[in-house]
Amino acid sequence: AQTVTQSQPEMSVQEAETVTLSCTYDTSESDYYLFWYKQPPSRQMILVIRQEAYKQQNATENRFSVNFQKAAKSFSLKISDSQLGDAAMYFCAYRRVNSGGSNYKLTFGKGTLLTVNP
Amino acid sequence: ETGVTQSPTHLIKTRGQQVTLRCSSQSGHNTVSWYQQALGQGPQFIFQYYREEENGRGNFPPRFSGLQFPNYSSELNVNALELDDSALYLCASSRTDLYGYTFGSGTRLTVV
Repeated sequence: AQTVTQSQPEMSVQEAETVTLSCTYDTSESDYYLFWYKQPPSRQMILVIRQEAYKQQNATENRFSVNFQKAAKSFSLKISDSQLGDAAMYFCAYRRVNSGGSNYKLTFGKGTLLTVNP
Repeated sequence: ETGVTQSPTHLIKTRGQQVTLRCSSQSGHNTVSWYQQALGQGPQFIFQYYREEENGRGNFPPRFSGLQFPNYSSELNVNALELDDSALYLCASSRTDLYGYTFGSGTRLTVV
């Protein structure tokens, strides 16, 4: 079974600075998707960024970028120029590629609570 | 484009009772998944529905059941509620040919 581990229960960053959130995962699959979701106090899971395992290039979305190390099974999220609105729980998630059934399910880590200090 | 709407937002039930949670999927999405998120934890997959049939289930007992309707809205039913069922229940819709998910804001269920 796939597992996702986020070893940092809490992180803090000063506004305008950079922070990196860590995520490792365990899978025997060679192709899969990885995601970072943000969950603010409104509770809705918001997709931050996604990475296809077959792509060597790291995904970027504006101030958000990932460091995907497939051999090490590591998928960290870097937030540049942190803003007060970035404060939230961040979840790393994994999904298999093969179609059908529960293969579509997302497997989440336990999350990292990010605080942004003014 | 509409998002995913869940109702109610909060609910308090007594142990042993039954509860029904509702979800309206995003327009164009034909698959709906339900997740349970206990306090301080990541969401756990309950089950997924496609074309009105369950086609994937996580490690949850049969007293967790669901329905998906022709308009792709969905229900999560939980019978014989236990205290440990207290959690945030999230609904997520998607299209089977895409890997993007749209989540609702969840229903906070408290069992007393």
